Amino acid sequence: AQRVTQPEKLLSVFKGAPVELKCNYSYSGSPELFWYVQYSRQRLQLLLRHISRESIKGFTADLNKGETSFHLKKPFAQEEDSAMYYCALSGLLGNFGNEKLTFGTGTRLTIIP
Amino acid sequence: GAGVSQSPSNKVTEKGKDVELRCDPISGHTALYWYRQSLGQGLEFLIYFQGNSAPDKSGLPSDRFSAERTGGSVSTLTIQRTQQEDSAVYLCASSRTSGGAETQYFGPGTRLLVL
Repeated sequence: AQRVTQPEKLLSVFKGAPVELKCNYSYSGSPELFWYVQYSRQRLQLLLRHISRESIKGFTADLNKGETSFHLKKPFAQEEDSAMYYCALSGLLGNFGNEKLTFGTGTRLTIIP
Repeated sequence: GAGVSQSPSNKVTEKGKDVELRCDPISGHTALYWYRQSLGQGLEFLIYFQGNSAPDKSGLPSDRFSAERTGGSVSTLTIQRTQQEDSAVYLCASSRTSGGAETQYFGPGTRLLVL
């Protein structure tokens, strides 16, 4: 079974301070990891995915297979980063693609001005 | 271009009634997914379509839930004999093809309230 754990439901950080949102996963195959974000009154949207190895809005995430983690980091938080963040996993399993996303329960990030 | 659209945006129904939720994916996207977002449960996968076929229905919570997709485009999620625990936001997503690394694009959701 695949599982994604986000241990923090709420996280408050001062503007300009570093941010780290934790994500751990459990999966027997080769996972694809994603971070999705939902800003207030907006739809859920992709922030970044590990396969792209990109930095979006200053956020990065490194897949650590040894620790089965995919923590999201940003060195200097901005007020517009306040949102709900979901870590998600998909992968290839069985005879057909297991492309469904398994989400963590989410972390609500609040940036304090 | 237009993103994923869903209708209705809000639905209030009485316990025991049937409801239909509609999803219009991004044009040309062959894969379509339904998820449910409820308080305390987070985002749960319901069903996945590749074209018109549904190779993965593993997330449907009971036989009161069904979904179909015709013409490889629009999908309808039907909940029969609704119960209060069905109250949630139902999200639809589509992706260009099937594949674990494909980005899924989400619709705005349908907020369902069962009284």
